[in-house]
Amino acid sequence: NAGVTQTPKFRVLKTGQSMTLLCAQDMNHEYMYWYRQDPGMGLRLIHYSVGEGTTAKGEVPDGYNVSRLKKQNFLLGLESAAPSQTSVYFCASSYSFREALNTEAFFGQGTRLTVV
Amino acid sequence: AQTVTQSQPEMSVQEAETVTLSCTYDTSESDYYLFWYKQPPSRQMILVIRQEAYKQQNATENRFSVNFQKAAKSFSLKISDSQLGDAAMYFCAYRSRDFGNEKLTFGTGTRLTIIP
Repeated sequence: NAGVTQTPKFRVLKTGQSMTLLCAQDMNHEYMYWYRQDPGMGLRLIHYSVGEGTTAKGEVPDGYNVSRLKKQNFLLGLESAAPSQTSVYFCASSYSFREALNTEAFFGQGTRLTVV
Repeated sequence: AQTVTQSQPEMSVQEAETVTLSCTYDTSESDYYLFWYKQPPSRQMILVIRQEAYKQQNATENRFSVNFQKAAKSFSLKISDSQLGDAAMYFCAYRSRDFGNEKLTFGTGTRLTIIP
């Protein structure tokens, strides 16, 4: 039972390079989220998705794009990486309250991204 | 937009003693969920406890309990009989029950140290 899997776990990018982080969940969850975690700032929501084919902006969306072409996958893209995007990125998924009460979010193991 | 505030960046407690972590939030909604997550050095996010806003009774999970004050918008976590394994970052989180907009918003976290 894999849960939420993020790929890759670590990555170093040069300024201006692009990359895509992949999040996959096997729990048939409607909701998927991308967060970044920085010291002293907690987890800040980048983008989220309420279902296949839909995405919405979170608190810090600038410099990132996302896509949810399949219900089980949520991709986070950096088109032109900047040093300010150095962070630990977390993906999470959950049922909507319409599907289940008492629902919690399940998290991936995180991706440490360094932009030099 | 909802906001979550954790005013204690760091806390410490003697092993076997009790500690309370504070959390306040701001919302105009009447129905929502509140969570406490634990993040040990492994970086994995682990659900500690959850509280439904429409339930007046405070949630309890073994040594962990909450003091939920809806009118004051306060949601503190009490850890009894603290153990070395409780050392971690603790995040308070708010989840809206607004259909189609069930964002999960986190506070900045409290780092808990257990003193042997």
